[in-house]
Amino acid sequence: DAKTTQPNSMESNEEEPVHLPCNHSTISGTDYIHWYRQLPSQGPEYVIHGLTSNVNNRMASLAIAEDRKSSTLILHRATLRDAAVYYCILRGFTSGTYKYIFGTGTRLKVLA
Amino acid sequence: DAGVIQSPRHEVTEMGQEVTLRCKPISGHDYLFWYRQTMMRGLELLIYFNNNVPIDDSGMPEDRFSAKMPNASFSTLKIQPSEPRDSAVYFCASSTTGSNGYTFGSGTRLTVV
Repeated sequence: DAKTTQPNSMESNEEEPVHLPCNHSTISGTDYIHWYRQLPSQGPEYVIHGLTSNVNNRMASLAIAEDRKSSTLILHRATLRDAAVYYCILRGFTSGTYKYIFGTGTRLKVLA
Repeated sequence: DAGVIQSPRHEVTEMGQEVTLRCKPISGHDYLFWYRQTMMRGLELLIYFNNNVPIDDSGMPEDRFSAKMPNASFSTLKIQPSEPRDSAVYFCASSTTGSNGYTFGSGTRLTVV
């Protein structure tokens, strides 16, 4: 399974934008880039996903590099409720299976 | 929609006892996943089902662990006998073909003493 690399932790001030990076240099052409987050004492929650083009939804934006070897999750205005562990995951069918392998993620701390 | 429902939320058991964790996926979802989360190992995929059939159980740690999905609305993860190192939060998630992602339950915190 292709792997992702994320910083262990990041800090942001409330109401400011946050850019969470992810490297996935071994991504294959059919792998989708998914982002999940896990709030304290909860299960992971889907945030956003994309293949090649940048994506926006009500929670965040996903910027994908042209070579697809990296991506960035953008929270436009961080709130205290955005403090969580953010996971960048590759999902593909290259091995004939359909599953997520979670890495260690980035723990985002939001300062009031 | 009540989401993915797991029970119990917390379980404390003595070493050697049998433990059964339960999961009710979202109606209409055809994939079901069991994950385990610990501080040391993070989130690990244990097993997943498609249309009630186990597809990949390569993550099941050993024979003490077993999982079943007798119908589309129910799955169990059983540990027999339980050991202290099994202490973790166990998550169930469900999904449907072509969907954007998984929906996770709130998890079962298992403590084996």
